[in-house]
Amino acid sequence: AQSVTQLDSQVPVFEEAPVELRCNYSSSVSVYLFWYVQYPNQGLQLLLKYLSGSTLVESINGFEAEFNKSQTSFHLRKPSVHISDTAEYFCAVSPLAGGSYIPTFGRGTSLIVHP
Amino acid sequence: DTGVSQDPRHKITKRGQNVTFRCDPISEHNRLYWYRQTLGQGPEFLTYFQNEAQLEKSRLLSDRFSAERPKGSFSTLEIQRTEQGDSAMYLCASGPGSNYGYTFGSGTRLTVV
Repeated sequence: AQSVTQLDSQVPVFEEAPVELRCNYSSSVSVYLFWYVQYPNQGLQLLLKYLSGSTLVESINGFEAEFNKSQTSFHLRKPSVHISDTAEYFCAVSPLAGGSYIPTFGRGTSLIVHP
Repeated sequence: DTGVSQDPRHKITKRGQNVTFRCDPISEHNRLYWYRQTLGQGPEFLTYFQNEAQLEKSRLLSDRFSAERPKGSFSTLEIQRTEQGDSAMYLCASGPGSNYGYTFGSGTRLTVV
């Protein structure tokens, strides 16, 4: 079984400031890792994913996340946030094998960007 | 590829009524998932289909809930005798055969009054 802990329920930040959203996971098997973003009254959109290879993964809109196996973490970072980044962010893991690949989500972190 | 479609977007129902939601996944995706999301929480897994076979069900899926995917394409989630605790966003996601991520629909928001 897997579990995901998102340590901060809310992260307020000023526009153009850097931000880090923390994610730690627990699993008895190897996992894939994901970050999803959810805007109000919408479904989840995949932001980035770590499957294998380089431990630093990037999204097209400036976010990046680094897989740290020893610390079982997959923190999300952005060097300079924009008002439009205000949203709910979910970290998720799914088992590497088994066929169902059912993702387990954290409780989410609400990123609030102030002007 | 029009993404994952869910219908309806919103549903208000009286306690005790039955409701049915529909999910149309991306056509070439053989994996389909239903999740429930309540306010301030992350999505919680309900059930999983591979093609038409329902392979896993969460303990959250009480006997009032039933899901089908009759031809391995669209799926329906039915809730019988709705309760106020069923009020939530119901999300559907689909994925290809390999584990390269999932595409979510916009969800159906259910309000039980």
